[in-house]
Order: sequence, then C-alpha cells, then structure tokens
Amino acid sequence: EVQLVESGGGLVQPGGSLRLSCAASGFTFSNYAMSWVRQAPGKGLEWVSGLFDGGRTYYADSVKARFTISRDNSKNTLYLQMNSLRAEDTAIYYCARGIFGPDYWGQGTLVTVSS
Amino acid sequence: DVVMTQSPLSLSVTLGQPASISCSSSQSLVHSDGNTYLNWFQQRPGQSPRRLIYKVSNRDSGVPDRFSGSGSGTDFTLKISRVEAEDVGVYYCMQGTHWPRTFGHGTEVEIK
Repeated sequence: EVQLVESGGGLVQPGGSLRLSCAASGFTFSNYAMSWVRQAPGKGLEWVSGLFDGGRTYYADSVKARFTISRDNSKNTLYLQMNSLRAEDTAIYYCARGIFGPDYWGQGTLVTVSS
Repeated sequence: DVVMTQSPLSLSVTLGQPASISCSSSQSLVHSDGNTYLNWFQQRPGQSPRRLIYKVSNRDSGVPDRFSGSGSGTDFTLKISRVEAEDVGVYYCMQGTHWPRTFGHGTEVEIK
C-alpha cells in the first residue's frame, strides 16, 4: 500500500525557516517524481514544487529562491526546505507522488507563519 | 502561467441526478510527448485530494464508473452520471503539461 506521511510543520515567525519531510513507503521511491502542493486555510490547491527522479527541480514563482525541494532515496524521503517564510505561506502542505498528475497524496502538514 | 478556469464555482445537485463541471485552459494542454495532462481531483471535507481522472479521460483505480472525463486541447469536462451523497466535496482540474503546474479554483458540489 502506497503511503506518504508528512511531518515538520508548525508555527514559525515571518522570516524564519522550516524543513518539511515526507516519508514514502509501499513503492520504489527512487523511480518516481514527487511534488509538493499546498492549500491555504479555506482556499484552493496551489502547486509548489516538483522533483523528477533524475534530479530536475521546478518551483512556483511564489516560492522560487526561497524553497528547495530535495530527496534522499536511501531514506525514501522527500524534503521541502522553506526559508524567508511569509504570512502568505501559511497552508497545509501535501506531499504527492508524481508530477504530471499526482496519484497519491499524504495527509498534509500545517505550516503557520505568524508573529 | 497557464490559467485554469472552472465553472460553475458551485453546484447543488439532487441525489441521482447528473452533474457536469467544465474546465478551460489558457493554453493547449497537449504535451510535446503527445499526451494531454489534464487531471481531475476530488477533495471531500476534511480530507486530502484524491485523483479521479488522469490524461483527460482515464479513471483511477477504485473510482466509480459514474465519473467520466472528456475534452481536448483547452476545454475539458468532468461528468458525474448520478450524484451520490459521498460525492459531496470540491472538485479541481489541474494541468500537468506546462510549468508551473496549475489548478482550477475548484467547484463545490453539494446535495440539494
């Protein structure tokens, strides 16, 4: 069974940093591209970043130069390093498998940016 | 960025009746590899999104056959042939052809 479990969310002050993790199981993690998608409270879905299995990365303009996506295939884990956080980054962050149309999603981890 | 426009924004449907959601993109979603990466997601209240349809018309495993997707180029449709109570939620289209990936604003489906 495919499982994606996010962690690392929490309350952080504006300008601060946070690293999200997504532990994957039930499939050969190294063979798949992965994505991060977020959802602000009461709002719709916003794609944040994608990472191909070969290493190419892509970012939404709203997070470019502030967020970094990476993976550790030996640990079956996807990461999102978030720096210079802003109030508008407050959202549930979902890890998802795939990059053309994610087929499995985690339960999400809440990031709140507030002083 | 490719803008995905969904309509309607909300839909109130009688149980057992059909429902239809439209999604149009500001650019063609035909990829250079020949595929059209248009997806539909369902998000039930309090849950994570779930993919229903990929590449316009392919139903994911476990998705009831009352859900169907159609369209081409820039215009796409999700149809529910007979709405059931468990179909309540928000439906999103998403394009996976261009960078950055983009979602529609969502269509909220409720039971009348």
